Parts: sequence; C-alpha cells; structure tokens
Amino acid sequence: GQQLNQSPQSMFIQEGEDVSMNCTSSSIFNTWLWYKQDPGEGPVLLIALYKAGELTSNGRLTAQFGITRKDSFLNISASIPSDVGIYFCAGLPLSTSGTYKYIFGTGTRLKVLA
Amino acid sequence: SQTIHQWPATLVQPVGSPLSLECTVEGTSNPNLYWYRQAAGRGLQLLFYSVGIGQISSEVPQNLSASRPQDRQFILSSKKLLLSDSGFYLCAWSSGTEASPLHFGNGTRLTVT
Repeated sequence: GQQLNQSPQSMFIQEGEDVSMNCTSSSIFNTWLWYKQDPGEGPVLLIALYKAGELTSNGRLTAQFGITRKDSFLNISASIPSDVGIYFCAGLPLSTSGTYKYIFGTGTRLKVLA
Repeated sequence: SQTIHQWPATLVQPVGSPLSLECTVEGTSNPNLYWYRQAAGRGLQLLFYSVGIGQISSEVPQNLSASRPQDRQFILSSKKLLLSDSGFYLCAWSSGTEASPLHFGNGTRLTVT
C-alpha cells in the first residue's frame, strides 16, 4: 500500500534551536496535514496544506507543500520545552480521491533539552 | 464548535472477551468518521471509515468491526479479543468535503491480557 517516509525518526535539540522535518512519498498527494501528539493523547492538527508550493505558518511553525506534490516540510523556529512530542505528517493521495483515506507517516519524536 | 468524545480512556480486557469502544461527535452533522489504531511508537493505521449512517468501509481484515447507528456515533467492536488487538485506538472526524482535515479524540488505551 501507499507509504509516507517521514524523517528524521527522532531528534534531540537544544532549546532555542530551529527544527526541520519532512515527509516524502512516491505518489502525488492532494493534501498534506501536520499533527502533534503528546503522550497518551490524540494527535492535534497543526497545519493543513492544499496547494503545491503553499507555505503556511502557525505561530513558530511553518509548513510547505512541495512543488512536486510528493513531499512536505515542517519547520519549528526557536524551539521551547513544550514542543516535545511526536509530529506526524498525513496525506491524501491523488490516486484515492473520493475515499477520504488519509495516510500517516511514522512520526518524528522531538525532544528539547533545556 | 465541534467536539469529539471517545471512551473509555483506558481498558484492560482478557483474551477472548468482547469489546465495545464508543465515539461521538458534537457540533456538526453528517461527519465522516474514522477508527485508527496506533501501535507503540508507530504511525496510525486506518481500520474503518464511514461517510454516513450504516455505511462502513473496512481497511484491514481482522476480528474487529465498526458500526454507525446514528449520524454522530461510531462504535468499534469485537466478539473475541486477541492479544494482538492491544494498542491505542483513535476516533476521528472530518467534514463531508474531500480533503478536509481529520480531528482526533483523545484515544482509548486497550490492553489485552
């Protein structure tokens, strides 16, 4: 089936540093979503992207819909301790149009060192 | 505003026992509803989704089933649990328009012993 490759799998950074993570696929996607999940809770939507090349910000978070429509990037600027958690990308492949079948990446586990 | 409720939050069940997890959405009508499972340290696996009452699409053949008896109610069931059914189960909703984002409940941690 369809898969999303999300990297890095985990990262340890110092407070104040910027963070970058990405998701790639061999298929074209219509939509890219980015979520954050805290331990024991459900994922919370951070940013939604709908057009190739789209760049959207949410506070210190910025995400981009890749021009090829096969990838997406999430950047976090000036990280703080509460940024810790697991970040997931999710996409809606063009090939499954009409089925609402989102595919999720395997997540990037972020730890911020104070 | 829309809210999603999922219960119970945690559940410990013996192998072979039945299962019923419930999810309800408030503040919207005719939502798309989803059940996902998340294994420890892993991504989310789509189990079932529904675009309307009584309409269920199954993504993974297994001993689980889903039902949508009311517009904003989604139930995940099993007649006999297996050890491999342990995991974190998440209910989600989206609006009826394609590509609308998913909004998740807080999940149910199921441990089958």
